[in-house]
Amino acid sequence: GAGVSQSPRYKVAKRGQDVALRCDPISGHVSLFWYQQALGQGPEFLTYFQNEAQLDKSGLPSDRFFAERPEGSVSTLKIQRTQQEDSAVYLCASSPRQGELTGELFFGEGSRLTVL
Amino acid sequence: QQPVQSPQAVILREGEDAVINCSSSKALYSVHWYRQKHGEAPVFLMILLKGGEQKGHEKISASFNEKKQQSSLYLTASQLSYSGTYFCGTEKVSNAGNMLTFGGGTRLMVKP
Repeated sequence: GAGVSQSPRYKVAKRGQDVALRCDPISGHVSLFWYQQALGQGPEFLTYFQNEAQLDKSGLPSDRFFAERPEGSVSTLKIQRTQQEDSAVYLCASSPRQGELTGELFFGEGSRLTVL
Repeated sequence: QQPVQSPQAVILREGEDAVINCSSSKALYSVHWYRQKHGEAPVFLMILLKGGEQKGHEKISASFNEKKQQSSLYLTASQLSYSGTYFCGTEKVSNAGNMLTFGGGTRLMVKP
């Protein structure tokens, strides 16, 4: 497909487990963003990559959250020792632009994480 | 800081009009509008750039008042397909690269 692909779509984890969420951006897109969307809320910024460089991780809520994009394409968001408050939809978005956002972000459908 | 959207929810009959507002406590660089249907990805509607340039893909209009730090999205002659949650995003400018900060959303339901 030509869009942003995220996997898994649904993940149920027991509290304390580690999870890894994957994002395949549109080919050639330089910028990649991760957002967290709690039920009934707007997406909240987590982190931003420009190619393989993580330029902003100010939105990561704790040091249990880690993201990487080692080759500048696929990205993985890892959450260690999951807590119930981590339950949310995790959205990935990509853009062919860097710097100013003069065009749209292309979002994936998200990975819905439920921590029991 | 997160922009504030109003109203939080609105119910319309098909063919009616609606206005969704977005305001920020900080100076706006640009405002982006997205629509998200339940369980789906947010979909781009429109960008309003500082200086008045407007880019969009659908027949939905918007305004951008830089002085008031506000934007409004105008949905006219609403269709059933307009139902969903609308988010405004304000662009945060940084040396590291710009990102969007989204409001809490406005839930729109269009009934036949």
